[in-house]
Order: sequence, then C-alpha cells, then structure tokens
Amino acid sequence: GAGVSQSPRYKVTKRGQDVALRCDPISGHVSLYWYRQALGQGPEFLTYFNYEAQQDKSGLPNDRFSAERPEGSISTLTIQRTEQRDSAMYRCASSLEGAPIRGTEAFFGQGTRLTVV
Amino acid sequence: SQQGEEDPQALSIQEGENATMNCSYKTSINNLQWYRQNSGRGLVHLILIRSNEREKHSGRLRVTLDTSKKSSSLLITASRAADTASYFCAAAYSGYSTLTFGKGTMLLVSP
Repeated sequence: GAGVSQSPRYKVTKRGQDVALRCDPISGHVSLYWYRQALGQGPEFLTYFNYEAQQDKSGLPNDRFSAERPEGSISTLTIQRTEQRDSAMYRCASSLEGAPIRGTEAFFGQGTRLTVV
Repeated sequence: SQQGEEDPQALSIQEGENATMNCSYKTSINNLQWYRQNSGRGLVHLILIRSNEREKHSGRLRVTLDTSKKSSSLLITASRAADTASYFCAAAYSGYSTLTFGKGTMLLVSP
C-alpha cells in the first residue's frame, strides 16, 4: 500500500475483554514498530520486529501485551484482559531495516485509538 | 527511561513569526529526528540530523544539534497557520534500533 495502515481506527471495549490491533506496513519494509501514546505525551516504544522476528519487546508493559508478525508483513498487537489504563493511541511504524541507526525515517500509521470502559 | 524533554511544552505565535522548540536527550545518539503530529493525524517525519552534524536546513526548517549539551533545536521560520501541530524530537540512541520520543511541543500559529 501507499502507507502504513492500521485497523481499526477506533476501538471501544469493555474492561476484561481482549483486543487485537492490526498493522499493515509499507510493502518491502523490513522493520515494524509498535508505540503507545497517551494524551499529551510522546509515543512510547513497545516492541519491534525485523521480518518475522521480534527483536525487542522490552517496552511491553506486562504479560497481557503481546505482538506477532508471523509472515514478516502484517503485525498484530494483542492486549488481553484489558484495563482502563490501557486506553491510549496505539501507533505502528515501518521502515527499512535498521532505520534509526542508519539515519532513515520511520513511517507511521494513523493509529488505533483504544478506549477501555 | 531515556525519554528526553522538549521545551516549551506549548508555544503560541502569530503568522509570520519564527517558532523555536528545544529538545534535550540523555546519552549518546546516532541521530536525532523531528516529527510533526497534526490533530487527528499520524506522525510525519520532518528532518533528521546526524550526530556528526551541527546544523541542517530543509525549506523553512532549521535544526541544530549540540552534542556537548545533549540538545537540539528546531526553528520554523515565517510560520503559517498550517504549522499548528505538536512537534516531537526522537533520539536514535547508540546501540538501540528504535526511536525514543520526547513529550512534544504544542505549537499554535494564529492568523
């Protein structure tokens, strides 16, 4: 596609439910990143992949959060047993491999606004 | 957390004026990037400066980097109402393959 696509754009869920957020990166981009952004704050790193391998998941807040990218393209971020504090904008980005180090940009999707009620 | 800080948190100016935003970071970097976020939209990359560069220009944007002070500044000249957005710096720290974003500066440009 022309850009990074995330779905759904908005998700309202009841506390305790599981949610799955989808990210479709730019075709050919090896690296895929997930960030979470609270209102009035900057994006906070969650996890990232190169191809299908999860390279770093140190930003995932607890074991209710998981992510996968089984075929090295589309990625899913899953939050189990959602809590109100999980409410935030979840952003996905993709880039050429090693973009931050090599000095090339990451391209962000529009994000998924998650609200847990 | 290695999250840096931007200042000011909010900036309100008139069209035609210049806007300066500052960013501080924690440890050594490969590069530092600036992004813009419009209301309801995604993050858009503006400009990147490498650790061995001191100043870079792109259109009405000028970014400087002072590695001794671990700080960067973004200058937007001749601002327009369309520049109204939140601006974030993002550090590519040495040894890390991800970006660490600051908390952002909210810029309001009034016609």
